Amino acid sequence: AQSVTQPDIHITVSEGASLELRCNYSYGATPYLFWYVQSPGQGLQLLLKYFSGDTLVQGIKGFEAEFKRSQSSFNLRKPSVHWSDAAEYFCAAGPNAGNMLTFGGGTRLMVKP
Amino acid sequence: SAVISQKPSRDICQRGTSLTIQCQVDSQVTMMFWYRQQPGQSLTLIATANQGSEATYESGFVIDKFPISRPNLTFSTLTVSNMSPEDSSIYLCSAQTDSYEQYFGPGTRLTVT
Repeated sequence: AQSVTQPDIHITVSEGASLELRCNYSYGATPYLFWYVQSPGQGLQLLLKYFSGDTLVQGIKGFEAEFKRSQSSFNLRKPSVHWSDAAEYFCAAGPNAGNMLTFGGGTRLMVKP
Repeated sequence: SAVISQKPSRDICQRGTSLTIQCQVDSQVTMMFWYRQQPGQSLTLIATANQGSEATYESGFVIDKFPISRPNLTFSTLTVSNMSPEDSSIYLCSAQTDSYEQYFGPGTRLTVT
């Protein structure tokens, strides 16, 4: 069955520190991959996506993600975290274009001053 | 991108009643979806809202409980019927653009008493 796993339920980092959020997928072929952020009481905002091509993709708010086929991973990174980055982050995958998404369980990011 | 609005933003309903949630997109889109996010959980797809035909439901969701309409390419409704406390969730509408990016509405927070 298709699935998306985010191994870390909670992560706490200090402001200014680097961040990496993990995402692993299980699909028959390379899926379409997305990262979303959800601030408290808000909807989901698309940070970035990967469909094909360059395996390092840049997104909004200074985020980037790297697709690694050999590890079935699509980890999200940011070199320097800001307090406003505290939120829930969801990795999602779809089998192809024009299809619904399967979401990971989410990672809650807390930022220490 | 696409901007999506939902109404109502929140509601408190009594057991046994029904609530219809509206989703409006600021541009024509091919694909629209409805998701449920239970408290502290990730997103689960309820159904794909098909324009001009019956919605496609995921396993565990049925039309009698979650009837969906999609009369045109910018609008959809989800009804939560005969509600019970277990239906207390955030319901999110999403729309997929021609570039295969999926955008989400702010969600409708439903509490059933």
